[in-house]
Amino acid sequence: SAVISQKPSRDICQRGTSLTIQCQVDSQVTMMFWYRQQPGQSLTLIATANQGSEATYESGFVIDKFPISRPNLTFSTLTVSNMSPEDSSIYLCSVELVSYEQYFGPGTRLTVT
Amino acid sequence: DAKTTQPPSMDCAEGRAANLPCNHSTISGNEYVYWYRQIHSQGPQYIIHGLKNNETNEMASLIITEDRKSSTLILPHATLRDTAVYYCIVRVAIAAGNKLTFGGGTRVLVKP
Repeated sequence: SAVISQKPSRDICQRGTSLTIQCQVDSQVTMMFWYRQQPGQSLTLIATANQGSEATYESGFVIDKFPISRPNLTFSTLTVSNMSPEDSSIYLCSVELVSYEQYFGPGTRLTVT
Repeated sequence: DAKTTQPPSMDCAEGRAANLPCNHSTISGNEYVYWYRQIHSQGPQYIIHGLKNNETNEMASLIITEDRKSSTLILPHATLRDTAVYYCIVRVAIAAGNKLTFGGGTRVLVKP
């Protein structure tokens, strides 16, 4: 298994500002993923974070709004830019191990006012 | 991605086996079936996955039909802590990683 931590665990932000969420895993992993879970909804994949290259974004998500960094094999950041109340969600990172099991972090609960 | 169909909710009795069904009639030959659960306000927890054969681990058993069009997750002795939303996911392998597409899941309530 993998131990994943996220910072911050929650935040309340004003509209128009940006928040950077950090994801740290306790072992080297090839693939990291960022998901969003809006209130009362299921999880939606935002992007796949590749080490050493640009992230691959899903339909409906763009780099200008959700820039991602992946500087090494144990760390990634997701920035939510120019926030609006519609960005209020739980943001989760996950990693995939060589056994094809994916493990999720505890999530970052974001409220935009 | 192959779609999955799960009942929106089900109740289970504590101490009894919980059988969670999932239909995935359009699954392809190289797609795996994954099960995750999400306990309120926590990140999803991996349970089990399989391709063709039945699988068992310390948490659950996964039974996949021979035609692979449906599967059942079995929690052998449900406890109150198993109350969660359970997601059945068919995973497609892509070059950049292995995407998990979450559907609505089954909200399981384990009752005393």
